[in-house]
Amino acid sequence: NAGVTQTPKFQVLKTGQSMTLQCAQDMNHEYMSWYRQDPGMGLRLIHYSVGAGITDQGEVPNGYNVSRSTTEDFPLRLLSAAPSQTSVYFCASTLSWDTEAFFGQGTRLTVV
Amino acid sequence: KNEVEQSPQNLTAQEGEFITINCSYSVGISALHWLQQHPGGGIVSLFMLSSGKKKHGRLIATINIQEKHSSLHITASHPRDSAVYICAVRNNYGQNFVFGPGTRLSVLP
Repeated sequence: NAGVTQTPKFQVLKTGQSMTLQCAQDMNHEYMSWYRQDPGMGLRLIHYSVGAGITDQGEVPNGYNVSRSTTEDFPLRLLSAAPSQTSVYFCASTLSWDTEAFFGQGTRLTVV
Repeated sequence: KNEVEQSPQNLTAQEGEFITINCSYSVGISALHWLQQHPGGGIVSLFMLSSGKKKHGRLIATINIQEKHSSLHITASHPRDSAVYICAVRNNYGQNFVFGPGTRLSVLP
């Protein structure tokens, strides 16, 4: 099925651990982005990419790394997890700036 | 002041009622999106608007560019409409969204 696939759906980490959230889309979209959703704060942009090999920081990039080696995949890496990174993470993709956005199902991350 | 605001923050309705959720924004935009998020679920795009009005089933979305305001209407509401509705805008030629805080809708049977 076409769409945006995020894995895992749930994850519990200990402070200081690292992990990678996976995001893949099969729609040949150039634009992909990562958001975090926190209660009372709405969705905030972490990092985004406008094509393979091109990434940039969003509003809240600290503690996260991204890379875009292929059009399909846009993984988000937590380098050293902190309790402040407890959140729900969403990956999104769009064909271009003026088209509909597609979101993944989200990853609920808890850092203890 | 947030760039995108929504009202109300929370809304409880009885099944069958007509519902309106409002979104106002303070920046120039290329398009406005209405999104739906069910509890514990992913985010689904409902509408993308740059002018006028769009209708899909029982949902209607309107936008007034001059007034920087959009509304999402649900006619004959149903408990399955219970969700958080999020307004999001893209700045002119921008790649990324600025999101509103969401409106939590509960429709009671």
